[in-house]
Formats: sequence, structure tokens, C-alpha cells
Amino acid sequence: KAGVTQTPRYLIKTRGQQVTLSCSPISGHRSVSWYQQTPGQGLQFLFEYFSETQRNKGNFPGRFSGRQFSNSRSEMNVSTLELGDSALYLCASSALSGGFYNEQFFGPGTRLTVL
Amino acid sequence: DAKTTQPNSMESNEEEPVHLPCNHSTISGTDYIHWYRQLPSQGPEYVIHGLTSNVNNRMASLAIAEDRKSSTLILHRATLRDAAVYYCILRSPRNSGNTPLVFGKGTRLSVIA
Repeated sequence: KAGVTQTPRYLIKTRGQQVTLSCSPISGHRSVSWYQQTPGQGLQFLFEYFSETQRNKGNFPGRFSGRQFSNSRSEMNVSTLELGDSALYLCASSALSGGFYNEQFFGPGTRLTVL
Repeated sequence: DAKTTQPNSMESNEEEPVHLPCNHSTISGTDYIHWYRQLPSQGPEYVIHGLTSNVNNRMASLAIAEDRKSSTLILHRATLRDAAVYYCILRSPRNSGNTPLVFGKGTRLSVIA
């Protein structure tokens, strides 16, 4: 079974631009979560989608948004990029939603650099 | 969310057992204890989870204190491939959606050949 895939793996943008990252979950998984990882703040939860609906949201500004398609693939968008948005963005999928023990499977991440 | 406390780093010799401690003194009765690890240049991966009883799987064992205020992840024979940052995470039930993983700083495990 193929794992979680994320594209692109690396991205360089300049301040003020916007960016869209893509995540394809494991086949059959309907829940997709996004996390941001930086050296200073560590791993932080952005949001979770299940059946095209946002179920949970972390404490990030409105510049960060996401969506999920009917095939469970998900995209996250960051508008008006700032230098502090440079990070590794990780996507995780799980089979179910509404659980507190569901194992999450992570992709390799997209490394975003903002210049 | 209840917090966890882990040592910043630990070191182990290859093929020796490793005991990674985690303190969670404010754990509630419904919190599950999860462990994830992040190998270099990879996303985190699930290791094990438990509620009250000790748990074993092919990767590791989880020993949970009787009062649940602490737990220990046990790698029975450390290999070089086990060098990673290990995260101890508490997850509480939610009415809607998965409980997000709240990562702390974790413990960086170094394995010496």
C-alpha cells in the first residue's frame, strides 16, 4: 500500500507570494491533517479535514487555509508569505475521524523556504 | 491539553535496551498515551499507544505506571536505525474530528555503534 505522498518536496518562494501544497493520503483514508514544523516552535497542528469538511483547526492566522477533495486528496494554501512561514509542512492521514487513538501516518513533508 | 515532560536527549549503545521516560502528572482518566518518533529527514511515525495496561508491539513496549503519571517506552535492542526524536503525546477524546497530536520537544536518542 502506498504511503502518504506530498508534492512538491521542496519549494522556494519570496515574501508576499502565495503557495499551494498538495497531499495524497493512503488509499482508503478519509482524514487528512496538516502540521508545520520549525526549529523554534517544533511541530504544530494546522488543521484536519474529513470528508471535505474541516473538523479541527489549530492556532494559525487566516493566511493558512486548506481544503479536501472528494477523493480525499488535500491542499493547503498560504497567502501573503512571510519569512517566518519557512518550515517543513507535514501531512498525515488516518482511516477514521472522531477518535483519539487513531494512528496517523505522515508523509515526508514539503520544505518551504521564503526569501 | 495535558503536558508531558521528557529528557532532551539520551544515548544508548547498539544492541542494548533503551528506556525512554515520560512524565505526565496532569493526565486525565481518559487520556491515551501515544509515542511517535521522527527519524532524520522523515515525517513522524507511530510507535505505540496505551491507556492503563502495558503494551507490546513489534517496535517497542510501553510500560505505564500504576498511577498513570509516567510511562516508559522500551526499545529492547537499540539499532542505529532507532536514532530519532521520540515524542510522548497525550490524546483526549473529542466530540468532533481526530484529536490533534500535540508535540513537545521530545527526546533525541543517539545510538552508538
